[in-house]
Amino acid sequence: NAGVTQTPKFQVLKTGQSMTLQCAQDMNHNSMYWYRQDPGMGLRLIYYSASEGTTDKGEVPNGYNVSRLNKREFSLRLESAAPSQTSVYFCASGRDRTQPQHFGDGTRLSIL
Amino acid sequence: QKEVEQDPGPLSVPEGAIVSLNCTYSNSAFQYFMWYRQYSRKGPELLMYTYSSGNKEDGRFTAQVDKSSKYISLFIRDSQPSDSATYLCAMSENTGNQFYFGTGTSLTVIP
Repeated sequence: NAGVTQTPKFQVLKTGQSMTLQCAQDMNHNSMYWYRQDPGMGLRLIYYSASEGTTDKGEVPNGYNVSRLNKREFSLRLESAAPSQTSVYFCASGRDRTQPQHFGDGTRLSIL
Repeated sequence: QKEVEQDPGPLSVPEGAIVSLNCTYSNSAFQYFMWYRQYSRKGPELLMYTYSSGNKEDGRFTAQVDKSSKYISLFIRDSQPSDSATYLCAMSENTGNQFYFGTGTSLTVIP
């Protein structure tokens, strides 16, 4: 009964490197989300996918891209990492856009 | 002005106390209201989910929504050290595509 699984749990990158954060859910949810959480800022929405085949920008999309690979998987890509992207990244899923979201345990990303 | 305002605390109470956590909001279109609990180095965990106004009780937890005042509350009775965590409120519109989160209130329950 995994729920939402995020990989990796920790990552250190150098400025300019690229990487993809992976997220998979096993609850047959339609909607998936990527957030970043920074001290004093709360959870900020980066991108979301209301249903398979669609993606939309959230509050802070600059510097990120996403792919809804199938109903289960939603990945977040940093093409050229910057120190300002140092954060904890959470993936979440919900049955639909109005239902509560269920979160993974996050990826802690440091960019030097 | 942020959509959702939440006092960050920190809040420290003795074991057994009643805890009151609150959020205010500005968007009158919000219809869905949630409370999440987040332990250190973990993801937020859904505690309570309510639609529109009113109260909802689940064990030691009670959620209240006052839409006329744009104010929601979470009450924790007989607080336990295991309740020590950060509590996040969240809300969304009926037709919206995203949730709006408070910044979280840090709670410590002292044995």
